[in-house]
Amino acid sequence: GAGVSQSPSNKVTEKGKDVELRCDPISGHTALYWYRQSLGQGLEFLIYFQGNSAPDKSGLPSDRFSAERTGGSVSTLTIQRTQQEDSAVYLCASSAIPGQGDNYEQYFGPGTRLTVT
Amino acid sequence: QQQVKQSPQSLIVQKGGISIINCAYENTAFDYFPWYQQFPGKGPALLIAIRPDVSEKKEGRFTISFNKSAKQFSLHIMDSQPGDSATYFCAAPTSGTYKYIFGTGTRLKVLA
Repeated sequence: GAGVSQSPSNKVTEKGKDVELRCDPISGHTALYWYRQSLGQGLEFLIYFQGNSAPDKSGLPSDRFSAERTGGSVSTLTIQRTQQEDSAVYLCASSAIPGQGDNYEQYFGPGTRLTVT
Repeated sequence: QQQVKQSPQSLIVQKGGISIINCAYENTAFDYFPWYQQFPGKGPALLIAIRPDVSEKKEGRFTISFNKSAKQFSLHIMDSQPGDSATYFCAAPTSGTYKYIFGTGTRLKVLA
């Protein structure tokens, strides 16, 4: 079946502009995660959704970052007033309902490469 | 804040050699430890995972060894191939929300 998709694949924006990044999780996956990966770095957790609610948004670096999820499916990560330090690859992942068989796996999308000039 | 310590940061191995990557974790809510493989320009993909009711799991050339008492686990790549050149991440689950903490990654290069 279809995997996790993200759009756009690349985004170049000017400093100070707002950007929206989209994630389409695997159908039926209730958990959705956003991560940030800076060049040559590891995965930095941003926010976790279970259904439409976000019980853990502890990784959002500032109030310029927000995310929402609607219909228990698509999620949008919004960065307002972008800064050059926001340049990174933003990865989305989804997983099925925890506790049911081998469904702890997180399946990642290809990421959105954001460049702030 | 909970951490997962991964080493080495980078690794160069000759073709046919053994690649070993180590991770150490703190307390976890449940027992499931995955390794992810990431090629340039791609998202991480699950490579192999272990539930620590066993101390070792093998899939083809990839083996996870787990030491629960030491809170350590490692990835062994036997007969390493140039196609294995990628970045590898270990992960350990945190409490409550089934969120993973990822290691900082190991960039593996296998020389032809």
